[in-house]
Amino acid sequence: NAGVTQTPKFRILKIGQSMTLQCTQDMNHNYMYWYRQDPGMGLKLIYYSVGAGITDKGEVPNGYNVSRSTTEDFPLRLELAAPSQTSVYFCASSYSEGAEAFFGQGTRLTVV
Amino acid sequence: EDQVTQSPEALRLQEGESSSLNCSYTVSGLRGLFWYRQDPGKGPEFLFTLYSAGEEKEKERLKATLTKKESFLHITAPKPEDSATYLCAFRGGNEKLTFGTGTRLTIIP
Repeated sequence: NAGVTQTPKFRILKIGQSMTLQCTQDMNHNYMYWYRQDPGMGLKLIYYSVGAGITDKGEVPNGYNVSRSTTEDFPLRLELAAPSQTSVYFCASSYSEGAEAFFGQGTRLTVV
Repeated sequence: EDQVTQSPEALRLQEGESSSLNCSYTVSGLRGLFWYRQDPGKGPEFLFTLYSAGEEKEKERLKATLTKKESFLHITAPKPEDSATYLCAFRGGNEKLTFGTGTRLTIIP
């Protein structure tokens, strides 16, 4: 049971490039989340999904897009990367709205 | 607006010195209050879920409690391996999972 798997672990992007952060979970969880965490700050919610085909914006969605075509996968797309998107990105999933969320190990992204 | 505030931002304790971390929240329709531990370079690791005022959960040296406005994470006789950032989060009626900024706990041998 792998839990929540994020790839890649590290990435350096140039300004204006695009990339997709991958997230997959094997726990059959309905709820999935993308967060970013900046140094000394808490986790800020970017997007979340309550099931396949359903996504919604969190606190800081600008510059990002998501899709949820299957229960298992919840990729995060960065278009036109900017230095302000330098951060550590965490994907998480939970079984239901009252259940705890399980996190991946994170993707450290640097935009130069 | 739903909010969560954690205090203190940082706490240094001697090994064996007990203390408490605070998580104050304002949320309509609380669906769960969660505590996580985060080590440097890692994702948050789940510790406890609390659902209603008066509820308590314990695990080794940690005990989480919940009132209508606050949650406390009590740490008893801590060891250096308890050093980490402790995060609280809540889920309200809008299905979002909102995190506080965390308390960075350092236990000095």
